Formats: sequence, C-alpha cells, structure tokens
Amino acid sequence: KAGVTQTPRYLIKTRGQQVTLSCSPISGHRSVSWYQQTPGQGLQFLFEYFSETQRNKGNFPGRFSGRQFSNSRSEMNVSTLELGDSALYLCASSGKDWNTEAFFGQGTRLTVV
Amino acid sequence: GNSVTQMEGPVTLSEEAFLTINCTYTATGYPSLFWYVQYPGEGLQLLLKATKADDKGSNKGFEATYRKETTSFHLEKGSVQVSDSAVYFCALSGAGSYQLTFGKGTKLSVIP
Repeated sequence: KAGVTQTPRYLIKTRGQQVTLSCSPISGHRSVSWYQQTPGQGLQFLFEYFSETQRNKGNFPGRFSGRQFSNSRSEMNVSTLELGDSALYLCASSGKDWNTEAFFGQGTRLTVV
Repeated sequence: GNSVTQMEGPVTLSEEAFLTINCTYTATGYPSLFWYVQYPGEGLQLLLKATKADDKGSNKGFEATYRKETTSFHLEKGSVQVSDSAVYFCALSGAGSYQLTFGKGTKLSVIP
C-alpha cells in the first residue's frame, strides 16, 4: 500500500511569509502527527491529530497550526516565518493502536531566507 | 514529562564490529519503546520496538531489550555492515498516546 506522502518536498520562503505543508497518511490510518527536525534541537513534536481532532500539541508558538480533514489528510501552517523555522518537517501516520509503528513520510525541507 | 537520552556520537566502526548505542528514558507509567533509523535524505523507518518490560525487539540483526529496572533500551548488533550507516533514534510513546519523544540521534558510520 502507498506510504505517507508529504508535499512539497522542498520549499524556500522569505521571512514574514506563511507556508502550508501537506501530509497524506496511509490509507485507513486516522492518526497523523507532525515533527520538526533541526540539527540543534533534533526531533520535536508539533501536534497530533486523530479523526480531525487535535489531541496533543507540542511546545511551539501559536504561529504553528494544523488541521486534519475528514479523509485524514493533514496540513500544517506556519505564519510569519522566521529564519529559525528552517527545518525538515516530518509527518507520521499510525493505525488504530497507539503502541504500533508510526510510518513517516520523507519530509518537507523548509528553508527560510 | 517524558524524555529520552541517547549517546550522540558520531560513532565510527569498522565492518563486522560490534555495535552498542545506549538509550535511557524517563516516563510515567509503562511506555512503549522504539528504535528508528534515518538514512540520508529519507524519513524515519521503524527498526524495532518493545511494548512491555523484558520484551526484546529484533530486526535485521539489531536487538534491544526493554529494561524497566534500569529504564534502558540499548541497541546492539553483533556485526555491522557498511549499509548500516545511518542515524539511529531511540524513542518512546506514553500509554495511550501516539506522540513520540525522541532522543537526539546517533550517527553511525561503518567503514570497510
């Protein structure tokens, strides 16, 4: 079956702009989580959605937001971009059991200039 | 809150050497424990997991045992190959949560 698809793969934006990233989970998966990966901070949890509801949110400013649609596809939005938002953003989808494998997409590489 | 501490490396080994990457965790209750691997330019792939104390996860020659008494989940492989070169992440998820808490990652380079 198809894996987790993230679009776009690469993005260059200017400070102050806003950006929307997309994630299509594995068919049948209802949980989608987002992570930010940077060399300095490593992998940090952004948020988790299950059946269109945000269940958990990490310690990020309100500029970071997300949503999940009825088909489980998810988007995350970052407004008023800062240089420090440059990172690899990873999406993961999971099946019905919380302790089963999370499947990751290849990520969106965001560069803010 | 939950946290994971792992040796950061980088680690450089010769082919066929023994590998250990240490991982310890702090969590309430009974978390599930995972090792993920990231190859250059890729997302993360699950390498192995353990969901309760004394469980041993294993895959592709890698092993890790869930030790509740020492809150550890060390990754081992008896004989590494060049193709094992990657970044390895130890992670946990708390009971009932899909949220993963990751260690900082350990970069492994295996030289012929």
